[in-house]
Amino acid sequence: EDKVVQSPLSLVVHEGDTVTLNCSYEVTNFRSLLWYKQEKKAPTFLFMLTSSGIEKKSGRLSSILDKKELSSILNITATQTGDSAIYLCNAGGTSYGKLTFGQGTILTVHP
Amino acid sequence: DTAVSQTPKYLVTQMGNDKSIKCEQNLGHDTMYWYKQDSKKFLKIMFSYNNKELIINETVPNRFSPKSPDKAHLNLHINSLELGDSAVYFCASSQDPLPYEQYFGPGTRLTVT
Repeated sequence: EDKVVQSPLSLVVHEGDTVTLNCSYEVTNFRSLLWYKQEKKAPTFLFMLTSSGIEKKSGRLSSILDKKELSSILNITATQTGDSAIYLCNAGGTSYGKLTFGQGTILTVHP
Repeated sequence: DTAVSQTPKYLVTQMGNDKSIKCEQNLGHDTMYWYKQDSKKFLKIMFSYNNKELIINETVPNRFSPKSPDKAHLNLHINSLELGDSAVYFCASSQDPLPYEQYFGPGTRLTVT
């Protein structure tokens, strides 16, 4: 059975800090790993990483896929209170429609 | 324009009742999903549909029955509701049935008393 594990489960930092969130996966015929941010309502897409696209960056957020270690990190630099959210990672292989989410990391950024 | 919409947003009902949640997407996507998010915020896939056909059923009790009348709609009917069904249910859609960016609806908070 596919498995996705995120760490830490929760993290409290102050504005301006840099954080690194981890996601490890065990997925049959791995194809993609995706990061989402969930504030009060629905998850919103951040990045998708595949074997052919192992690094993505958008503003203060960046993500890297380590195919050897079967893991990914999400970095947020110069954190702001608006970064407070649950960060979700999911991964899937070549089976149609099957995606496994990790437990999520709850990030709290204090002013 | 709302990309993925769900109704109702909140649902409070008693044990044993039957209820439905509706989902519609206007993105032209072929694949739709139902997820359940529990109190610990763990998001678990329940069903996936591609072109109105069921492609994933993740060991969900058969009290849950999804129905896709067309590619833009995926409804969830729940029979004989139980306390453990209380959760937030999210509908999502994606362009591709393989792992790809998903667009989530706002969620339906179901409370069973």
